[in-house]
Amino acid sequence: RKEVEQDPGPFNVPEGATVAFNCTYSNSASQSFFWYRQDCRKEPKLLMSVYSSGNEDGRFTAQLNRASQYISLLIRDSKLSDSATYLCVVGAGGSYIPTFGRGTSLIVHP
Amino acid sequence: NAGVTQTPKFQVLKTGQSMTLQCAQDMNHEYMSWYRQDPGMGLRLIHYSVGAGITDQGEVPNGYNVSRSTTEDFPLRLLSAAPSQTSVYFCASRLGRNEKLFFGSGTQLSVL
Repeated sequence: RKEVEQDPGPFNVPEGATVAFNCTYSNSASQSFFWYRQDCRKEPKLLMSVYSSGNEDGRFTAQLNRASQYISLLIRDSKLSDSATYLCVVGAGGSYIPTFGRGTSLIVHP
Repeated sequence: NAGVTQTPKFQVLKTGQSMTLQCAQDMNHEYMSWYRQDPGMGLRLIHYSVGAGITDQGEVPNGYNVSRSTTEDFPLRLLSAAPSQTSVYFCASRLGRNEKLFFGSGTQLSVL
């Protein structure tokens, strides 16, 4: 089983739709969780950190479920500009090395 | 505050040539790392460093060397380039173990 797993997609949604991605992790000692956005052949950019209580940033909501060992990202009112690959990144407290999921591709169409 | 600066943006090499990819950060980050990204493969860790004078191998270290003589700089050396090293390379740094990663803008390398 991979340490961090994501559905590669693509998720193909119309503008204005709500879409959700999940990311499962296998290391129960994981302590830090992030969602990054990556556009084609560009560097990943931090979208949001994920906190235990869940957090929201505009149209984006991130949740952490420690019991089931997954994090989620909800995007409301999708825009064409949201089309990208969304990477889940998980860090275990004892290690400097974060673990990346392979990413979920989102395509928002008119 | 420049963040993570990575050069060059593009490079074409012939098989057997050597080169150095430069990475510098001005955020006083302990951790620096190099990744390569190939289609369908996700980001794979090449080498990393947790401080000046300390480096270690990642998942795909063969064919690459690194050094960390200062906190700011973490160059990646290709000793004898091979076509299998054609990829997009990213440098990344973070302040501490549970902190977010900051990425450089990437180097697109082609080895002919």
